[in-house]
Amino acid sequence: AQSVSQHNHHVILSEAASLELGCNYSYGGTVNLFWYVQYPGQHLQLLLKYFSGDPLVKGIKGFEAEFIKSKFSFNLRKPSVQWSDTAEYFCAVNVRGGADGLTFGKGTHLIIQP
Amino acid sequence: DTGVSQDPRHKITKRGQNVTFRCDPISEHNRLYWYRQTLGQGPEFLTYFQNEAQLEKSRLLSDRFSAERPKGSFSTLEIQRTEQGDSAMYLCASSLPGLSSTDTQYFGPGTRLTVL
Repeated sequence: AQSVSQHNHHVILSEAASLELGCNYSYGGTVNLFWYVQYPGQHLQLLLKYFSGDPLVKGIKGFEAEFIKSKFSFNLRKPSVQWSDTAEYFCAVNVRGGADGLTFGKGTHLIIQP
Repeated sequence: DTGVSQDPRHKITKRGQNVTFRCDPISEHNRLYWYRQTLGQGPEFLTYFQNEAQLEKSRLLSDRFSAERPKGSFSTLEIQRTEQGDSAMYLCASSLPGLSSTDTQYFGPGTRLTVL
């Protein structure tokens, strides 16, 4: 079975700082990779996804992530964060072609100070 | 808004009672998923349907949990004889798989269950 590890459970940054949230997964086969975001009081929303092709994927609100297969990583980045980026961020994976749901990490609670 | 909807949004029940939650997926989506999320954790996959067929149910937490999707549209998740440990957010997601099993799930707002 696959697993997902998010290294930072709580991150506090100031506005305009750069962001990188780590995500590593364990699975020997081909996977699909996702980042979801949950803003305060709202439901989970898709930020970006990787299925195949260019390992650098761009999502909504200026976020991007890079899939590094050799490191089993899919880190999320944003060059300059805003106060409105305060949220919970979840990395998730599922097996390509598998009959299964998503496996999520425990999440990273990001607080942006104005 | 034509996103995934869930009902009720909040449910408070006493230990030992049965509860049922409903999920309405995005209209053309043929896959429907149920997850549970507890405080400080990411969502945990429980079960999923493709149309009316339940293709994976081994992750349901116990035999007190069951799910149905009788006509391939909405789904219900039932918990019998609730326990305090069942208190959690129950999430529903739906998807329409693309080529090569590229499957993006869209989540509803969840039903928060509190068992007293």
